[in-house]
Amino acid sequence: EDKVVQSPLSLVVHEGDTVTLNCSYEVTNFRSLLWYKQEKKAPTFLFMLTSSGIEKKSGRLSSILDKKELFSILNITATQTGDSAVYLCAVISNTGNQFYFGTGTSLTVIP
Amino acid sequence: GAGVSQSPSNKVTEKGKDVELRCDPISGHTALYWYRQSLGQGLEFLIYFQGNSAPDKSGLPSDRFSAERTGGSVSTLTIQRTQQEDSAVYLCASMPSGANYEQYFGPGTRLTVT
Repeated sequence: EDKVVQSPLSLVVHEGDTVTLNCSYEVTNFRSLLWYKQEKKAPTFLFMLTSSGIEKKSGRLSSILDKKELFSILNITATQTGDSAVYLCAVISNTGNQFYFGTGTSLTVIP
Repeated sequence: GAGVSQSPSNKVTEKGKDVELRCDPISGHTALYWYRQSLGQGLEFLIYFQGNSAPDKSGLPSDRFSAERTGGSVSTLTIQRTQQEDSAVYLCASMPSGANYEQYFGPGTRLTVT
């Protein structure tokens, strides 16, 4: 059964801290892995990763994929209160068009 | 430009009633997804539409759930004889054609079945 597992489930940090969110997957015929930020209802796209070892970076956020060990990490440096959100990881396979989502990591950044 | 819109934003209904949830995707986006998100859970895939192809209904949890997409644009998710376990946020996402799998999500409909 295809599945995506995220850890930790929740995290509370202070402003300025660096956090690492984890996403591991078991998906047949992996195509790409995506990260989303969900603040209220609508998730917003952060990164799409298809190749191992190539870091994607956007400001204080960065992400990398390891297709051998079947996981990805999302790093946020110098966290701010505006980073508080649920971070979702999703995997899409080549055999269909379904996105398999993890349950998310809830990040709370305290001033 | 306009994003994905969904209506209603909130819906409270009595157990056993039917409900219709609407999704207006971004104009020109060929793919449309429906997801369900229960409290504290990830997104559960329900159904996928791509152009004029037959939809992928493999995620629909029971035959009380159905969806259609008229004219390749607006989609309606219908839940018949609602049950309390149907209470969740229902999210719609659209995606343009091509190899970029960036989905654009709507704000969702929060359904509460009493």
